[in-house]
Amino acid sequence: AQSVTQLDSQVPVFEEAPVELRCNYSSSVSVYLFWYVQYPNQGLQLLLKYLSGSTLVESINGFEAEFNKSQTSFHLRKPSVHISDTAEYFCAVLSQAGTALIFGKGTTLSVSS
Amino acid sequence: NAGVTQTPKFQVLKTGQSMTLQCAQDMNHEYMSWYRQDPGMGLRLIHYSVGAGITDQGEVPNGYNVSRSTTEDFPLRLLSAAPSQTSVYFCASRLQARPSSYEQYFGPGTRLTVT
Repeated sequence: AQSVTQLDSQVPVFEEAPVELRCNYSSSVSVYLFWYVQYPNQGLQLLLKYLSGSTLVESINGFEAEFNKSQTSFHLRKPSVHISDTAEYFCAVLSQAGTALIFGKGTTLSVSS
Repeated sequence: NAGVTQTPKFQVLKTGQSMTLQCAQDMNHEYMSWYRQDPGMGLRLIHYSVGAGITDQGEVPNGYNVSRSTTEDFPLRLLSAAPSQTSVYFCASRLQARPSSYEQYFGPGTRLTVT
């Protein structure tokens, strides 16, 4: 069965520092990968996705993620974080049958001034 | 569009009671699903539906029933609530099951406590 591992449950950083949230997935023939963000007391929002093509994908608010097939990773990065980026971030992979998103356990990003 | 809506936002049940969590979407999405979110566990799939009249089990289906009589609605039923079902429940939908159409929209969640 496919699985997703988020290597850090909590990541505290200072404002304007760079951050990397790590995600590894179990290998599969075709891989579709996603990062979702959940702000406090809200639902999940899609941050970015990798379906095919360029291995580097970007979001509109400065996050980027790189699909690395050899390392089975899809790490999320931002060069300079803001207080407003404080949230929980979930990495997910589409199941082989395409019928479900399989989520990691989440990483809480806490940005302080 | 209202997107994906869920009711109620909060609910407290006693062990053994039954209830239905409502989910509706107005985007004409074929695919709908229910997840539960527990601390340190991420989101786990309970049930999903690829179209009206078609449902299937996810990772944690025990204790839950679903039906899909219309494209818009996908209610989740708890027949006999247990404390282990205390969780936050999210409904989600997307246009189709194909990855090329993939953006999954989530509702705001229902926070359920079973005492």
